[in-house]
Amino acid sequence: EVQLVQSGAEVKKPGESLKISCKGSGYSFTRYWIAWVRQMPGKGLEWMGIIYPGDSDTRYSPSFQGQVTISADKSINTAYLQWSSLKASDTAMYYCARLGGSSAYYLDYWGQGTLVTVSS
Amino acid sequence: EIVMTQSPATLSVSPGERATLSCRASQSVSSNLAWFQQKPGQAPRLLIYGASTRATGIPARFSGSGSGTEFTLTISSLQSEDFAVYYCQQYNSWPRTFGQGTKVEVK
Repeated sequence: EVQLVQSGAEVKKPGESLKISCKGSGYSFTRYWIAWVRQMPGKGLEWMGIIYPGDSDTRYSPSFQGQVTISADKSINTAYLQWSSLKASDTAMYYCARLGGSSAYYLDYWGQGTLVTVSS
Repeated sequence: EIVMTQSPATLSVSPGERATLSCRASQSVSSNLAWFQQKPGQAPRLLIYGASTRATGIPARFSGSGSGTEFTLTISSLQSEDFAVYYCQQYNSWPRTFGQGTKVEVK
């Protein structure tokens, strides 16, 4: 069974750093892209970026380029999303999801989400 | 960036009735279009990919159609568990983009 298990909720202050995780199991982790998706409170879904754990090839949506860093450790089947200096506007639910498919890739399995709250 | 526009924003439907949700792309995305369902407090769930292929385990009452710039998600007979928010998403061009969602509520 494919599973993506994300790290727990975080409460941080503005200016702090943070790294959240997404651990894959039940499939070959290095052979599928992982995406990160943001959902701000009461809002829709926003595509942040993707990583290919096999070689750490990473691509960012322009809106998130330079704002976050996506990484992966294939030895432990885990992808990460990190901030060096959080802002209140980073308060959101963050989901990881696997990109399945053959010639074109869609989000077929999702993690449960990690709620990040940034408040002074 | 391709803009995905969903309509209506809210759809009020009685259980057992048919629901038709629309998604329009600002430029062609071929058939690289997915639909997701999200219930309160839950992660999104893949319903449809390739514009019309149901994902594993998705009931036959969900169907998708369209190509290019115009897409439709139809729920043939709404069940209580289908009241949720539905998102379309294109995966034809970078950056990938989602529609703003359609909330299907009980009439």
